[in-house]
Amino acid sequence: KAGVTQTPRYLIKTRGQQVTLSCSPISGHRSVSWYQQTPGQGLQFLFEYFSETQRNKGNFPGRFSGRQFSNSRSEMNVSTLELGDSALYLCASSLGLVRDNEQFFGPGTRLTVL
Amino acid sequence: GESVGLHLPTLSVQEGDNSIINCAYSNSASDYFIWYKQESGKGPQFIIDIRSNMDKRQGQRVTVLLNKTVKHLSLQIAATQPGDSAVYFCALGNFNKFYFGSGTKLNVKP
Repeated sequence: KAGVTQTPRYLIKTRGQQVTLSCSPISGHRSVSWYQQTPGQGLQFLFEYFSETQRNKGNFPGRFSGRQFSNSRSEMNVSTLELGDSALYLCASSLGLVRDNEQFFGPGTRLTVL
Repeated sequence: GESVGLHLPTLSVQEGDNSIINCAYSNSASDYFIWYKQESGKGPQFIIDIRSNMDKRQGQRVTVLLNKTVKHLSLQIAATQPGDSAVYFCALGNFNKFYFGSGTKLNVKP
């Protein structure tokens, strides 16, 4: 069974631009969660989607948004990029909600904002 | 917000010894706790979880202990192997929020 895939793996953008990251969960998994990882702040939860609905949200500004499609694939969008948005963005999938199910992480998308 | 800290940023152990990684948290309403392992260049990998109604849970070579009185969580790895070298994160969830600790780097010396 294929694991969680994320595209692209690396991305370079400039301040003010927007970016869309994609995550394909493991087949059969209905929950996708997104995380930001930086050396300074560590791992931070962004949001969780289940059955196309956002179920949980972390403490990030509205510039960070996401969505989930009927096939459980998810996208995350960051608008008006700031230098501090440079990070590794990880997505994880699980059969159901994170609180009740083991998560499987993808390799991440490394975003650099110049 | 939640405060999740780890007692040591780096832990070095001899191969074959037992490792103990600790995590302190501040919110007593946390109802589930998870340990993850992250190897260099990879995403985190689930190790073991525990609910707030439990004190101890065992997996293969790993044990998680939860002390709700002092808000402390620990991960014990038995007979540590070189393949255990990684960064270990604790995470906890409450009120539909999810928080990670800052991570402990485990170095296993041959």
